[in-house]
Amino acid sequence: QVQLQESGPGLVKSSGTLSLTCTVSGGSISSYYWSWIRQSPGKGLEWIGYVSSSGTTNYNPSLKSRVTMSVDTSKDQFSLKLSSVTTADTAVYYCARDLGGYSYGTMDSWGQGTLVTVSS
Amino acid sequence: EIVLTQSPATLSLSPGERATLSCRASQSINRYLAWYQQKPGQAPRLLIYDASNRAPGIPARFSASGSGTDFTLTISSLEPEDFAVYYCQHRSNWPLTFGGGTKVDLK
Repeated sequence: QVQLQESGPGLVKSSGTLSLTCTVSGGSISSYYWSWIRQSPGKGLEWIGYVSSSGTTNYNPSLKSRVTMSVDTSKDQFSLKLSSVTTADTAVYYCARDLGGYSYGTMDSWGQGTLVTVSS
Repeated sequence: EIVLTQSPATLSLSPGERATLSCRASQSINRYLAWYQQKPGQAPRLLIYDASNRAPGIPARFSASGSGTDFTLTISSLEPEDFAVYYCQHRSNWPLTFGGGTKVDLK
């Protein structure tokens, strides 16, 4: 069974860049899309975007100007960078596997989530 | 973007009772809807995809239906572990969006 684990700083300064990595184990990172989702009390669950195993990306337009996602198949990892953060970016960040294929856009496996706090 | 509205916000029920949760889309999303369950301190867990397909390992007491703009998740007989927050999410177009959630709590 595939497992995902987020890692990265839990505290980021305002105007800085949030950087998170998700490590995939128990399954191949190939042939899937890999998503980032965040959850904050104010905005609920918000899909940030995905990166495919080949490096194709698709971002939420609301965050597109600040988001960069990448994948490293040799390490079974994918990453999220969110620039120019503000306190509104404080949230629990989840990485997830997208079923892909005919069910693209459905997330069937999730990491446990990591809280990132943006300090002013 | 497509807005998903879930109702009610809170559903207070007892174990053994039937739970009926609603999700309404701001425009037609065909059958491109998933349901997730989230317990405190945990990640969402996929229950249903494409409106009515149970994900692997999901008990048969969870069922769902709908198409177009109106969808329903039904828990036929609540077990103690079913008290949680439930979210719907569409995949009709980008960006993916989630509903605001329905909390099923203990009456």
